[in-house]
Formats: sequence, C-alpha cells, structure tokens
Amino acid sequence: SQQGEEDPQALSIQEGENATMNCSYKTSINNLQWYRQNSGRGLVHLILIRSNEREKHSGRLRVTLDTSKKSSSLLITASRAADTASYFCATSGGSNYKLTFGKGTLLTVNP
Amino acid sequence: DTGVSQDPRHKITKRGQNVTFRCDPISEHNRLYWYRQTLGQGPEFLTYFQNEAQLEKSRLLSDRFSAERPKGSFSTLEIQRTEQGDSAMYLCASSLSQAFGEQYFGPGTRLTVT
Repeated sequence: SQQGEEDPQALSIQEGENATMNCSYKTSINNLQWYRQNSGRGLVHLILIRSNEREKHSGRLRVTLDTSKKSSSLLITASRAADTASYFCATSGGSNYKLTFGKGTLLTVNP
Repeated sequence: DTGVSQDPRHKITKRGQNVTFRCDPISEHNRLYWYRQTLGQGPEFLTYFQNEAQLEKSRLLSDRFSAERPKGSFSTLEIQRTEQGDSAMYLCASSLSQAFGEQYFGPGTRLTVT
C-alpha cells in the first residue's frame, strides 16, 4: 500500500516559476526522500532529509519536513523545461531499507 | 560506476508464459531491491536482498514470483504463468548497507502481458 500522498497530483507552470509539491505520510519514519522520474524511465534520487532535520537544500531544491504533521514539501526554484517529470516522495522507517512511495506529482514546465 | 542495469528493457509475452528479468546492481552495493510500478502509481516494494540472502518479501509477491541473487551479485526475478495483471514496470535498485536509505534505480523492465 502507498504510504505517502503527494499533492497536487499534477502541476503545470511556466519556465522560471517556482514549483511546490507536498507529501503526507502516515507512520513514523527514519527519513524521507524525493525522487524524480522522467516518462517511462527509472527513478533518480534528488534529496534525503532525516527525521531530525527540518529543512535541507540542494542546488535549486529545498525540502522541508514536519514530523508533527507527517508532511514534507519540495520546492524547485527557477524551474526549467528539463524539470518536467513525475516527483515522488518515499519514506523509510524501521530497518531503514525498503522505500514506501506516494503516487507522485506530475510536473510540467512550459517553455 | 556504470549504474544499475536491467535487462530486457521491454518484454511482451502471452498470458501463461514464464518471464525472467535480470538486474545488475552497482558493483559495491550489497543491498538489492525489486519494486513494481503500475501506470499512474508510485513504485511498490516487492523484495529485498542483503548480499545473497532474501530478507523480505512483500505480500504482492505471489507464489508465481521468485527472485534470486546468487553469489550476491546480479539478481533475477521470474514470473511464472503470467497474468494480464502482471503488466507493469519492474524496477531494480541497489544501495550500500551502511547508506542512510538512498537507493539507486535502474531503468526498469516494462512487461506487457497480452
């Protein structure tokens, strides 16, 4: 079963704008990760945030984590057409190995 | 480091046939995972290996599915007597055991059962 739920399911923006995606999950976690998937391809790891962290940055990516609300957000700044993809949050807990994914947000960045 | 590779990339088979997929993880990674992804959904965990030992199997992995990782290197996933509901993308990932959870995914094998 899916652990996380991303919101919105789909997002369409213009190049240069910022994109924000949210993720909610149900159980306690060790860490939360965000992955990107281009159409019909494998997943690419973007960023990992541990349960004791509240915010993390990597290039144009900013991730926040609120464990009290069991939610996370991914912000992509200054979006590019190449950012067009599906974005998934994935949680890891317990033995910290298998990932439990949400259904994803489909981001379309229009040039 | 050539990344995780999967073979074949696409497989079309008739209902009732057996299929086998192969995954070659990143060479120094001792953990290997299989996930299944259907259209419009996120990947779902199927099974996991630590070296050659299969440590967990999801309830999604029916008796028709079997996975192996001989010698702790590459892994195979076999589906016997395929059904149309098996049509999906099968993703393989690998990681270091001491890593904090980051997994490296292969390109996937897309299975279509007709």
